[in-house]
Amino acid sequence: NAGVMQNPRHLVRRRGQEARLRCSPMKGHSHVYWYRQLPEEGLKFMVYLQKENIIDESGMPKERFSAEFPKEGPSILRIQQVVRGDSAAYFCASSPIERETQYFGPGTRLLVL
Amino acid sequence: GENVEQHPSTLSVQEGDSAVIKCTYSDSASNYFPWYKQELGKGPQLIIDIRSNVGEKKDQRIAVTLNKTAKHFSLHITETQPEDSAVYFCAAPPGGSYIPTFGRGTSLIVHP
Repeated sequence: NAGVMQNPRHLVRRRGQEARLRCSPMKGHSHVYWYRQLPEEGLKFMVYLQKENIIDESGMPKERFSAEFPKEGPSILRIQQVVRGDSAAYFCASSPIERETQYFGPGTRLLVL
Repeated sequence: GENVEQHPSTLSVQEGDSAVIKCTYSDSASNYFPWYKQELGKGPQLIIDIRSNVGEKKDQRIAVTLNKTAKHFSLHITETQPEDSAVYFCAAPPGGSYIPTFGRGTSLIVHP
């Protein structure tokens, strides 16, 4: 049973470009969570999705950030017009049902030049 | 919301010693407490968790204790090895929530 998969593992963008981060949950998991981690800090919740639905986006900035989890395919975290402050590690986690243990992917490290 | 405090931020031990990391939480309705280990360049990996209906749980060299009255829980690692070196995070979802609040992490360094 493959774990949570994220790609790309590293992403470099120039200010103003778009970043697309992909997450494939563990097999059988229909709940996906996105977190952001800044150096020397813990994980900050961004958004929680189930298939085709955003359940909780309270941690996601209102502008430039969006997320989706389509019926088919991976979950996507999209950052438009990136700025240097978006540089961070972005982690995806999945669980089979809510209120269950979350399993994390290896992360995507975004660097904005 | 939930507030999770984790201490210490850095812990340095000699191989073979024990290590203890402590977390406190604020929401008395929280009932699930996972611990994650994050190695450099990798994602957090669940190493042990505890639910509020038990006070202690062990898995080989790792144990977690929970004191619901005092609202704190601790990670205990015995006979530490260099490969235990990593950042450890505690977490606690507020009661009725599925979103854990994470501590700021403890960097554990085990010297051979």
